[in-house]
Amino acid sequence: AQSVTQPDIHITVSEGASLELRCNYSYGATPYLFWYVQSPGQGLQLLLKYFSGDTLVQGIKGFEAEFKRSQSSFNLRKPSVHWSDAAEYFCAVGPYNTDKLIFGTGTRLQVFP
Amino acid sequence: DAGITQSPRHKVTETGTPVTLRCHQTENHRYMYWYRQDPGHGLRLIHYSYGVKDTDKGEVSDGYSVSRSKTEDFLLTLESATSSQTSVYFCAISNSGTDAVETQYFGPGTRLLVL
Repeated sequence: AQSVTQPDIHITVSEGASLELRCNYSYGATPYLFWYVQSPGQGLQLLLKYFSGDTLVQGIKGFEAEFKRSQSSFNLRKPSVHWSDAAEYFCAVGPYNTDKLIFGTGTRLQVFP
Repeated sequence: DAGITQSPRHKVTETGTPVTLRCHQTENHRYMYWYRQDPGHGLRLIHYSYGVKDTDKGEVSDGYSVSRSKTEDFLLTLESATSSQTSVYFCAISNSGTDAVETQYFGPGTRLLVL
């Protein structure tokens, strides 16, 4: 069965530091991959998505993610974190030709000044 | 932002009472989804709809029913609320396009407390 793992429940970084959030998926073929962000009390906002092509995907708010087939990973990165990036981040996988997404359990990011 | 509203935004109810949550969209998207969000579980799909009067179960559908009589509205009903249904409920929409998996857009959520 398809699944998504976000190994880090909670990450704390200093403002200005680099960030990498991990996401691993289990799926037999190339999946469609998404990263969403959820600010406190808000709904989920799409950061970026990977369908095919270039394995390095650029998103909004300065985020990027890299698809690595050999590692079944789709890690999210940002070179310099801002205090406003404090939120919860969800990775999701969409099995090919389905209408549904499978979400990871999320990583909560805390940013210290 | 996608035009998705959820009502009510907050609700407190008692065990055993029926509850209906509403999701309304102005995007004319084909697909609509109901998720629940709980700590340590991420988002789990309850039910989804792929058209008017066309619905299907998700992974946590027990105790929930849905209806979609119009493209723009998707209702989630808890027939007899239980404390285990205390959660934050999110509606999402997506459209059928050229991609095999379409992006989902989320509403602001409904926080439900069952006492």
